[in-house]
Amino acid sequence: NAGVTQTPKFRILKIGQSMTLQCTQDMNHNYMYWYRQDPGMGLKLIYYSVGAGITDKGEVPNGYNVSRSTTEDFPLRLELAAPSQTSVYFCASSYSSGGARYEQYFGPGTRLTVT
Amino acid sequence: KQEVTQIPAALSVPEGENLVLNCSFTDSAIYNLQWFRQDPGKGLTSLLLIQSSQREQTSGRLNASLDKSSGRSTLYIAASQPGDSATYLCAVRLRVGGSEKLVFGKGTKLTVNP
Repeated sequence: NAGVTQTPKFRILKIGQSMTLQCTQDMNHNYMYWYRQDPGMGLKLIYYSVGAGITDKGEVPNGYNVSRSTTEDFPLRLELAAPSQTSVYFCASSYSSGGARYEQYFGPGTRLTVT
Repeated sequence: KQEVTQIPAALSVPEGENLVLNCSFTDSAIYNLQWFRQDPGKGLTSLLLIQSSQREQTSGRLNASLDKSSGRSTLYIAASQPGDSATYLCAVRLRVGGSEKLVFGKGTKLTVNP
């Protein structure tokens, strides 16, 4: 049981390049999330998904795209990278059913620098 | 708009001390509150989850309480150890429009000195 895994751990991009951050969970969670964490700013929600085929925007979605074709995978796509996207990106997952909502589990993060 | 505040932003204590970390939130219509630990350069590790109907949860030396009506939660750490040094974040889960989200505080950075 690996939990939430993310690749890559580190990446340096040039302005205007594109990349995909990978996220996989093996806990059969229906909810998955992408956050960014900037120093002194806390965590901000980028996108989330309540199940395969369903995604929705969070607080800071501009410049990003997501897809959820399977329960396990939730990749985050950066198109035309900008210096403002330099951040640490965390993927998370949780399970909700009926009125019950359970813990969110986080991946180890991807540290992205755009220069 | 829900705001989550953690005070103090940093705390330094000697080993063995019992300590309390505070978390306050402005909107009491939450589903649950979760405490996390984050080590430098690492992801978030879930410590405790308190559902909105609960008053407290315990795990080992950790005890978290929730008072929804006053918008407060505390994380009590007993007999602190240097290995407890980390940033502690609280987050509340609530409904915003047609979706649910976690709103995070900015964390309390704890240093436990040997």
